[in-house]
Amino acid sequence: AQKITQTQPGMFVQEKEAVTLDCTYDTSDPSYGLFWYKQPSSGEMIFLIYQGSYDQQNATEGRYSLNFQKARKSANLVISASQLGDSAMYFCAMRSGNEKLTFGTGTRLTIIP
Amino acid sequence: DSGVTQTPKHLITATGQRVTLRCSPRSGDLSVYWYQQSLDQGLQFLIQYYNGEERAKGNILERFSAQQFPDLHSELNLSSLELGDSALYFCASTLGGGLVYGYTFGSGTRLTVV
Repeated sequence: AQKITQTQPGMFVQEKEAVTLDCTYDTSDPSYGLFWYKQPSSGEMIFLIYQGSYDQQNATEGRYSLNFQKARKSANLVISASQLGDSAMYFCAMRSGNEKLTFGTGTRLTIIP
Repeated sequence: DSGVTQTPKHLITATGQRVTLRCSPRSGDLSVYWYQQSLDQGLQFLIQYYNGEERAKGNILERFSAQQFPDLHSELNLSSLELGDSALYFCASTLGGGLVYGYTFGSGTRLTVV
């Protein structure tokens, strides 16, 4: 069975600082994909970044990067130079086996001015 | 606009009633997924359809059913509603067929059962 663990229920970070959101996963499937989504207070799910299990390099998308450590089964999201608009819930998710996504419980990030 | 359209955005109904949530996937996407997000259960996968056929089933109650129509839009039917069914219901779509493509989410339908 697939499982995603996010151990940080909430984080407070000063504006302009970098922040790392933790995510560990468990799967026996050699082929899988890892996703991060942002959910602001308005409720929509916004795709941030994707990492495939066979990708040799860590994924990056603007201020977002994914610190992928395959042996440790971790896929942490790094947000550089945080902004007030980054305040939101962040979900790590995994696709393996069949096509559905399995989500973690999320981390609520609050950026402090 | 993500390209996935969900209607209605908000729904308030009484216990025991039946509602239908609608989802139009992004153009070209063949797979539709339904998720339920509640405070106590988090994001739970309900069901997936691919090109009109049920592909996978998750934690979907027997009171809930879904279908995908020939034009690829999907409907989630919730019946005999209970207070605990109050949640945000998301639809997501992807090209599907085993290929690794992004999952695009709609903005959700917020269901409140009173």
